[in-house]
Amino acid sequence: ILNVEQSPQSLHVQEGDSTNFTCSFPSSNFYALHWYRWETAKSPEALFVMTLNGDEKKKGRISATLNTKEGYSYLYIKGSQPEDSATYLCAWTTDSWGKLQFGAGTQVVVTP
Amino acid sequence: DGGITQSPKYLFRKEGQNVTLSCEQNLNHDAMYWYRQDPGQGLRLIYYSQIVNDFQKGDIAEGYSVSREKKESFPLTVTSAQKNPTAFYLCASSMKEDRGRYEQYFGPGTRLTVT
Repeated sequence: ILNVEQSPQSLHVQEGDSTNFTCSFPSSNFYALHWYRWETAKSPEALFVMTLNGDEKKKGRISATLNTKEGYSYLYIKGSQPEDSATYLCAWTTDSWGKLQFGAGTQVVVTP
Repeated sequence: DGGITQSPKYLFRKEGQNVTLSCEQNLNHDAMYWYRQDPGQGLRLIYYSQIVNDFQKGDIAEGYSVSREKKESFPLTVTSAQKNPTAFYLCASSMKEDRGRYEQYFGPGTRLTVT
């Protein structure tokens, strides 16, 4: 049983549309939440590491919010482009050792 | 270019054989990690190492072994005791002391098929 849940499992977006998806995690013993983007045939790459309740982070057209009290994080993609097609992974940790627990990911497909 | 290399990309073995997956990094990172991915599941931690000559079991260490004799290298051996070894294996590393709050850098992965 995964402690970290991501929904939806997959979604299709038209180019130019905005979208968002969710990562849910246990609210107790929170230390940090990571977001990674994993493109096909490439290595996962870090997007954000979030540590504080209410955190908002942004990188280009991608942004994320964090609610540690209720145990969820949203990732937003504004004006989706085909190059945003990837699997987006979130991972939660309760300590400083970097032992991450990953969700199964949300696969995003952006069609022109 | 700095990064993490894993070799080979694809690996095939017969059941009952041990197999070692390579992971090398030139990022000067102290911490290294091994994850396994199965279809429909999140990455699961097999072993991690915070420093040379030290490593700890992750969530699914049974049937695996590791060594950390050099900072740059963290090989993973999949033993014949691992009941379902066929999977995609990812190696990662991390730099800062407070590793929970810093990103991990991943290699390209090795897909192991055992028949």
